Amino acid sequence: DSGVTQTPKHLITATGQRVTLRCSPRSGDLSVYWYQQSLDQGLQFLIQYYNGEERAKGNILERFSAQQFPDLHSELNLSSLELGDSALYFCASSPGQGTVLGANVLTFGAGSRLTVL
Amino acid sequence: GENVEQHPSTLSVQEGDSAVIKCTYSDSASNYFPWYKQELGKGPQLIIDIRSNVGEKKDQRIAVTLNKTAKHFSLHITETQPEDSAVYFCAASRRGTYKYIFGTGTRLKVLA
Repeated sequence: DSGVTQTPKHLITATGQRVTLRCSPRSGDLSVYWYQQSLDQGLQFLIQYYNGEERAKGNILERFSAQQFPDLHSELNLSSLELGDSALYFCASSPGQGTVLGANVLTFGAGSRLTVL
Repeated sequence: GENVEQHPSTLSVQEGDSAVIKCTYSDSASNYFPWYKQELGKGPQLIIDIRSNVGEKKDQRIAVTLNKTAKHFSLHITETQPEDSAVYFCAASRRGTYKYIFGTGTRLKVLA
């Protein structure tokens, strides 16, 4: 157990629907990251939050949004779902926001597998 | 833009042999290079990492080397075992950010 908790583990939904994926970071970690892993693809960075604020944005679609709450858990909202959104969505956490040498370690959760039919 | 190329995409070795996976990064500001192992149905797990002020790092059967001039870094696994079978990802992280650029992964199969 990495200490990063993601729910749900599996989710099946239809095109056009909206889903929310949830992540609880490892205890003490302030940063949360979301990554998308499509079939046989690498990990694509979506977005990073640090202590409730957005810090970095990657290839995140406008149909997707995220937030980090005061208790540091994060949610990734995926709307107007398309078949191509089917993927594994990983959350990762780290202690800081990337400015301290020696603290650049990401810990990943087990992922949420989204299937859009 | 920022890019990390990883080779090979698949690698099969006999148990006990060595395996080498290579990555090349494009962003010269990158200063942290982790390697992750992803087993089936699980999230990626950090197995070893190296910073730009170090040329080589070892941890039991795994080692990572870094050539900053050529922007190459490699993962070496010696005396491979069936439990080493997994997908391995390299990544590069830029100074001052936690944004990781991942390689496309190498599926390693260790044949018993």
